[in-house]
Amino acid sequence: IAGITQAPTSQILAAGRRMTLRCTQDMRHNAMYWYRQDLGLGLRLIHYSNTAGTTGKGEVPDGYSVSRANTDDFPLTLASAVPSQTSVYFCASSRDRTNYGYTFGSGTRLTVV
Amino acid sequence: ELKVEQNPLFLSMQEGKNYTIYCNYSTTSDRLYWYRQDPGKSLESLFVLLSNGAVKQEGRLMASLDTKARLSTLHITAAVHDLSATYFCAVGGQGYGGATNKLIFGTGTLLAVQP
Repeated sequence: IAGITQAPTSQILAAGRRMTLRCTQDMRHNAMYWYRQDLGLGLRLIHYSNTAGTTGKGEVPDGYSVSRANTDDFPLTLASAVPSQTSVYFCASSRDRTNYGYTFGSGTRLTVV
Repeated sequence: ELKVEQNPLFLSMQEGKNYTIYCNYSTTSDRLYWYRQDPGKSLESLFVLLSNGAVKQEGRLMASLDTKARLSTLHITAAVHDLSATYFCAVGGQGYGGATNKLIFGTGTLLAVQP
């Protein structure tokens, strides 16, 4: 089934630990995005990638890094997790300059304690 | 910097009633999207509005776009319990993001339809 797969579904992480959230899509979309969702704040863009080999910063990039080695994968890494990074993380993708919006993954619920 | 505001943030309504959710945005854009999110689930695309005056309808939901006023509305007609969810608008396109398709989301409207 075409779409976006995120892993893990949920995770409890000790503060200071390193964590990588995985995102894989099979739609051959060029653009991919990471958002975090927090109550009362909606979805905020963390990082994005227009195409394989390029990445850019969104609204709230601090404490996060991404890489885009190929079209399908767009992992998000928290180098040293802090409690304020407790959130639900959504990966999304879109075609270049598409008018069709995003396809979203099912999300990763991360709790940093 | 593009900002997107939705109101109300929370809406409790009775079945059979009509209501409108508003989405205002701060800079020029020719592309607006509405999404639905059920509790604990991902976001589902509802409408894509790409020009001034665009109107889209699906069942009891109708979305419209006024680019001159920088306003989109999502109108709910004769609400039913199944419409209970959080609704997000998102704005992108011209004047923002260059070659990317970055979207800025509103804070969402939690809709609760009571029997």
